[in-house]
Amino acid sequence: QSALTQPASVSGSPGQSITISCTGTSSDVGAYNYVSWYQQHPGKVPKLMIYDVSNRPSGVSNRFSGSKSGNTASLTISGLQAEDEADYYCSSYTSSGTYFFGTGTKLTVL
Amino acid sequence: EVQLVESGGTSVQPGGSLRLSCAASEFTFSSYYMHWVRQVPGKGLVWVSRLNTDGSKTNYADSVMGRFTISRDNAKNTLYLQMNSLRAEDTAVYYCARGHRDGYCVDYWGQGTLVTVSS
Repeated sequence: QSALTQPASVSGSPGQSITISCTGTSSDVGAYNYVSWYQQHPGKVPKLMIYDVSNRPSGVSNRFSGSKSGNTASLTISGLQAEDEADYYCSSYTSSGTYFFGTGTKLTVL
Repeated sequence: EVQLVESGGTSVQPGGSLRLSCAASEFTFSSYYMHWVRQVPGKGLVWVSRLNTDGSKTNYADSVMGRFTISRDNAKNTLYLQMNSLRAEDTAVYYCARGHRDGYCVDYWGQGTLVTVSS
């Protein structure tokens, strides 16, 4: 395995909530609570949105939340705003001491 | 504000070598793990390597193991990535990123430097 599996795209209307899934294995997502989520706008560098499954860095809106169940982690964005339109990537530390990123999800705000 | 500035990206032929540098400032560089992550333009993020604070422990993605070497000079606040036996599939933007102090992830990214491997 070389990447975690995410849906290629998700969409939602302003004000709605969406959830992006991130599926790995018992050697990465399922092994530790070390899943993080990144937001990347076109032409920009990634921005850390969630770390250690559900922790928000300072300055990140509380509309962003994370969770995990077994080998699948999830990012939920509530109260969708136009500025949330971006690519989102999950990442997980692995039992080999390496990291995997997810395949990426393009969020469209309708 | 944390600053990470990569340099050294250029075009190189398959089989060639290249060394990337990342100059860090506005934080105590020697106290943080550092990472390299790459991204083919228009494609997804791929983790490449991680180095601990004193440079004694390294981790690599399988795709670069044995070809790439990560290192650091804490006196110069600089991270390096020595890339040997380059392949066309190594073509990407290479980001230097700081390890998060409290988590197993990265929290700040540089702007990236483009490496193109082509004959």
